[in-house]
Amino acid sequence: EVQLVESGGGLVQPGRSLRLSCAASGFTFDDNAMHWVRQAPGKGLEWVSTISWNGVSIDYADSVKGRFTISRDNGKNSLYLQMKSLRPEDTALYYCAKGGATTVTTFDYWGQGALVTVSS
Amino acid sequence: SYELTQPLSVSVALGQTARITCGGDNIESKNVHWHRQKPGQAPVLVIYRDFNRPSGVPERFSGSNSGNTATLIVRGAQAGDEADYYCQVWDRSTAHWVFGGGTKLTVL
Repeated sequence: EVQLVESGGGLVQPGRSLRLSCAASGFTFDDNAMHWVRQAPGKGLEWVSTISWNGVSIDYADSVKGRFTISRDNGKNSLYLQMKSLRPEDTALYYCAKGGATTVTTFDYWGQGALVTVSS
Repeated sequence: SYELTQPLSVSVALGQTARITCGGDNIESKNVHWHRQKPGQAPVLVIYRDFNRPSGVPERFSGSNSGNTATLIVRGAQAGDEADYYCQVWDRSTAHWVFGGGTKLTVL
């Protein structure tokens, strides 16, 4: 059974940093691209970032480029999102999602999300 | 940047067929995927590459994609189908994933 468990969310002041983690199990982690998607309270889904199976190909939404860094550790079956210079508009539930063999294959499993609240 | 347009809400009578549209420029040239999100839950993939169903998704769910509109079709709508539905594509020009704004399906 595929499982994706996010952690690391919390309340943080504007301008500070936070690191999210996603622990994956139930599939061959290093065979798949991985993604982060966020959802602001009461809003729709917003793609944040994608990383290829080997970490070579990485993309970011314009809204987070230069502030967020996606990474993965295939030896630990884990995905990360380092978030810097956080803004109130970054407040959202952050989902980790499993992709396919390539970065352009859709997301077939989602985690339950980690809540990030940016507020003073 | 590429944009996807969905109606905010769609209503369907119990047992009838619901159609949720997703509009985009020449969307037929792209693979369209659909995710369902029930209240308080994570999204679930229900249709991939226009009309394919992941294992476990009922045959009542289907999809089509033509011209500037992709459509998610839910036949024999049930109360348990009430959810927000999001279409999704990959935009080759920006190498970005794009979601539609989401459609709330209500079963009357």
